[in-house]
Amino acid sequence: DAGVTQSPTHLIKTRGQHVTLRCSPISGHKSVSWYQQVLGQGPQFIFQYYEKEERGRGNFPDRFSARQFPNYSSELNVNALLLGDSALYLCASSLMGNEKLFFGSGTQLSVL
Amino acid sequence: DQQVKQNSPSLSVQEGRISILNCDYTNSMFDYFLWYKKYPAEGPTFLISISSIKDKNEDGRFTVFLNKSAKHLSLHIVPSQPGDSAVYFCAASATLNNNDMRFGAGTRLTVKP
Repeated sequence: DAGVTQSPTHLIKTRGQHVTLRCSPISGHKSVSWYQQVLGQGPQFIFQYYEKEERGRGNFPDRFSARQFPNYSSELNVNALLLGDSALYLCASSLMGNEKLFFGSGTQLSVL
Repeated sequence: DQQVKQNSPSLSVQEGRISILNCDYTNSMFDYFLWYKKYPAEGPTFLISISSIKDKNEDGRFTVFLNKSAKHLSLHIVPSQPGDSAVYFCAASATLNNNDMRFGAGTRLTVKP
């Protein structure tokens, strides 16, 4: 079975641009969470979706948005990119919530 | 606010010896704790978990201990192997279905042959 897949693996953008990151969960998993990991820190919670509904949102500005599709895949959108948005963006899936998260390899975003 | 803290950024041990990784938390509502291991260029992978109704959970070479009164948990790896060299993250949530799992900053473990 395929694990959590994320695309693209690497991305370079300039300040002010927007970006869309994609995630496909493990088959059968209905919950998708997004995390931001800055170098030297642990993952920070951005969003969680369950059955296409937003279940929670972390302390991130409105420039960050996400959605989950009927096939449970998900997109994370970031508008008006700032240098500080440079990070590894991790997607994780689980059956229902946080019982055990399965992470993808992440998308490394660099904002220049 | 850092509700989950891993105060040791790195740890080096000899192969065959015990590795002890520590984690402290401040939120008394946390009742489910997990350890994840992360290799370079990969996402974190689940290692072991413990709920607050237990004080110990064991899985092979890995044991997690929970001290609720001290708000402290630790991961013991014995015997340590070079393949265990990775970054280890401690994570905590208030309920199994909570939408906000908090992670520590991680401890880089190096196991020397």
